[in-house]
Amino acid sequence: EAGVAQSPRYKIIEKRQSVAFWCNPISGHATLYWYQQILGQGPKLLIQFQNNGVVDDSQLPKDRFSAERLKGVDSTLKIQPAKLEDSAVYLCASSLDRGELAIFGSGTRLTVV
Amino acid sequence: GESVGLHLPTLSVQEGDNSIINCAYSNSASDYFIWYKQESGKGPQFIIDIRSNMDKRQGQRVTVLLNKTVKHLSLQIAATQPGDSAVYFCAENRGSGGSNYKLTFGKGTLLTVNP
Repeated sequence: EAGVAQSPRYKIIEKRQSVAFWCNPISGHATLYWYQQILGQGPKLLIQFQNNGVVDDSQLPKDRFSAERLKGVDSTLKIQPAKLEDSAVYLCASSLDRGELAIFGSGTRLTVV
Repeated sequence: GESVGLHLPTLSVQEGDNSIINCAYSNSASDYFIWYKQESGKGPQFIIDIRSNMDKRQGQRVTVLLNKTVKHLSLQIAATQPGDSAVYFCAENRGSGGSNYKLTFGKGTLLTVNP
């Protein structure tokens, strides 16, 4: 079974630029999560989708972060404009349904300079 | 505030020894806990979980203990191997009748296994 695919693996941008990350969850998984993991810390949930609808985006900085999952399959997370403190690994995870165990991708490491 | 944290940020053990990684949580409403292993450059990988109606659960070489009285859980790894070297996170879930799944992660403990 293929895992959660994320791209790119690494990204370096200057502050105030924009960036987008892509995630393709495990086939058939209805629930998709985006987490932010700052170096030395545990992952923090940014947004949770159920199919193409948002379940929880309470910790998403909506002034600069946006995410979509238009067809209920793959998803993109965008940051515009980026700040230095956005440097982190952005992890995507998916689960068969809400309440089921989530499987994580390897993440995209973002460095903002 | 609500938090999940770890007592020890780093742990170094000899190959073959047993390892114990500790975690404290403050939210008494948490009803489900997970231990994850994260190797460098990879996402967190599920190790073992435990529900709040249990105080012990065993897997292959791993055991999780939950003490609700002091809001503490631990991960025990038997006969630690070099491949166990990683950062270990505990995470808590405040389930809403099983229909929601929102994990709060602790900061992690770096386990180093010396050959």
